[in-house]
Amino acid sequence: EDQVTQSPEALRLQEGESSSLNCSYTVSGLRGLFWYRQDPGKGPEFLFTLYSAGEEKEKERLKATLTKKESFLHITAPKPEDSATYLCAGAQGYSTLTFGKGTMLLVSP
Amino acid sequence: GAGVSQSPRYKVAKRGQDVALRCDPISGHVSLFWYQQALGQGPEFLTYFQNEAQLDKSGLPSDRFFAERPEGSVSTLKIQRTQQEDSAVYLCASSAGQGSGNTIYFGEGSWLTVV
Repeated sequence: EDQVTQSPEALRLQEGESSSLNCSYTVSGLRGLFWYRQDPGKGPEFLFTLYSAGEEKEKERLKATLTKKESFLHITAPKPEDSATYLCAGAQGYSTLTFGKGTMLLVSP
Repeated sequence: GAGVSQSPRYKVAKRGQDVALRCDPISGHVSLFWYQQALGQGPEFLTYFQNEAQLDKSGLPSDRFFAERPEGSVSTLKIQRTQQEDSAVYLCASSAGQGSGNTIYFGEGSWLTVV
């Protein structure tokens, strides 16, 4: 069964305290690994797509990496405005994204 | 607007009522997806359109759920005889390319509460 598991479920950081979120996946025929940010009451906002092991992408304080079994979202020197739920999803087959449950990040000033 | 637009944003339906949720994808986007998101969960796939063709409806939970995209642009998700377990956020998403391997952009969602 195709699965995407995210850890931790929730993470509280102090402003400036760097950390990483994990996404492990068992998705057959993976066509891409996606990271989204979701604020309360909003739809998911696209962050990154990774297609092959070893690939890395960066945007401001965020860097996403991909191995054959997992992906990491590294957050460097986070700010309170980075507080959100971060969702990971594997593109399975032709039409489906399989999402994890997300990691709820809270960054305190 | 430049993004995926959904309406209504909020809908309260009495159990047994029919509801229709509308999605305006990003102009020119070939692919359109519907997802269902329960509180505290990640979105779950419902159905996929490529232009006007519904290529995958494997995620629709029952035959009370029906989706269409007759002209390959606007889409409607219809839920007949709503039940309490249908309460969720219904997310529409679109992509310029074909299939799930391309960047997919989500709308703000339609929040459905069945009472």
